[in-house]
Amino acid sequence: DGGITQSPKYLFRKEGQNVTLSCEQNLNHDAMYWYRQDPGQGLRLIYYSQIVNDFQKGDIAEGYSVSREKKESFPLTVTSAQKNPTAFYLCASSSGGHTEAFFGQGTRLTVV
Amino acid sequence: AQSVAQPEDQVNVAEGNPLTVKCTYSVSGNPYLFWYVQYPNRGLQFLLKYITGDNLVKGSYGFEAEFNKSQTSFHLKKPSALVSDSALYFCAVRTYSGNTPLVFGKGTRLSVIA
Repeated sequence: DGGITQSPKYLFRKEGQNVTLSCEQNLNHDAMYWYRQDPGQGLRLIYYSQIVNDFQKGDIAEGYSVSREKKESFPLTVTSAQKNPTAFYLCASSSGGHTEAFFGQGTRLTVV
Repeated sequence: AQSVAQPEDQVNVAEGNPLTVKCTYSVSGNPYLFWYVQYPNRGLQFLLKYITGDNLVKGSYGFEAEFNKSQTSFHLKKPSALVSDSALYFCAVRTYSGNTPLVFGKGTRLSVIA
């Protein structure tokens, strides 16, 4: 089945820790995106990548980092610099233009 | 800069009645417009999109949306609501240029009451 897979579904982070969220797609899409969802704030763009080995900051990139070494993979690291990381994180991919983006099932990150 | 506004945080409708979820957008240039639905603790599911052509777009699960260029709106509609339609709905926009990210509204929670 073609799709986009995020793991883990739930993740707990201690204060001062870095954690990495996985996102893999087998749709052969060039572009991949990371969004953060908080109640009442919709989806806010963290980072996006339009091609392998290239990525751009979104609206709320501070405290996050990404890599795009393979077309299929776009992991997101939440660093200790992110002061309020508790949120629902969504990864998406698309082939751009008029095509819709496909979303993973999300990772819920909680600071303990 | 692109932006999307969903003016209603919550919409309540009785089962069997028509529903409308509102969306207005602001872009420079021609827009691609999308509607997504989200169920609790899940990712977003694509419902429908407007690219060009006919202003009335039909999508999944009996939903449709009407593009109105003069009012810069793309309201989501369904003739007869179901309890199972209760969810969070997002409108999104992208301009014609390249593979830029979708810009989303803040979402509207739809509650269909039996």
